[in-house]
Amino acid sequence: DIVMTQTPLSSPVTLGQPASISCRSSQSLVHSDGNTYLSWLQQRPGQPPRLLIYKISNRFSGVPDRFSGSGAGTDFTLKISRVEAEDVGVYYCTQATQFPLTFGQGTRLEIK
Amino acid sequence: QVTLKESGPVLVKPTETLTLTCTVSGFSLSNARMGVSWIRQPPGKALEWLAHIFSNDEKSYSTSLKSRLTISKDTSKSQVVLTMTNMDPVDTATYYCARISLTAGGMDVWGQGTTVTVSS
Repeated sequence: DIVMTQTPLSSPVTLGQPASISCRSSQSLVHSDGNTYLSWLQQRPGQPPRLLIYKISNRFSGVPDRFSGSGAGTDFTLKISRVEAEDVGVYYCTQATQFPLTFGQGTRLEIK
Repeated sequence: QVTLKESGPVLVKPTETLTLTCTVSGFSLSNARMGVSWIRQPPGKALEWLAHIFSNDEKSYSTSLKSRLTISKDTSKSQVVLTMTNMDPVDTATYYCARISLTAGGMDVWGQGTTVTVSS
């Protein structure tokens, strides 16, 4: 199974300041079709997860442009350019390059 | 509008078999570009992927749980069913179903989840 490791596990951020979350996979996420199926999910308190970013850097429908994804191979990053109060929650990276699918441990974003 | 809705028992006893149903709308389970996964989340813990079913009825299971899981679908009813045998209190969790589309290459639409407690 591919292991997904996120850092940090907790991130206190000041409103209006940037935030960054890293995700590392135990093996390359480049699929034989050339795509890299790395996604980022946001889970607000009491809510189901929702898709933010897919295939490393594509924002899903309705996701604000302050969210961006980058990376390649085994190292990926989610950035929030200016954190807003509604961004509080837990963020997960997940891979769909190879079954079984796997998630990172989650990173809790909180406001200082 | 694409939606997924989970249903099933709120409470099961240890050793019992859990059966959960995911009813989808807004897309067909026969669409070659779509599949449905089940994911669970114990209270206060991370997401754990359980199983996936493809449009061609091919299935994939969690390595650690595959002996206990069965996933199936009824395309005419737009339903995906997950069964988990020999339930234990550690299986207490919110269970989600989610669509995986080839376009997104990930879980692009999630249900609200259903909470299952395992207790005698």
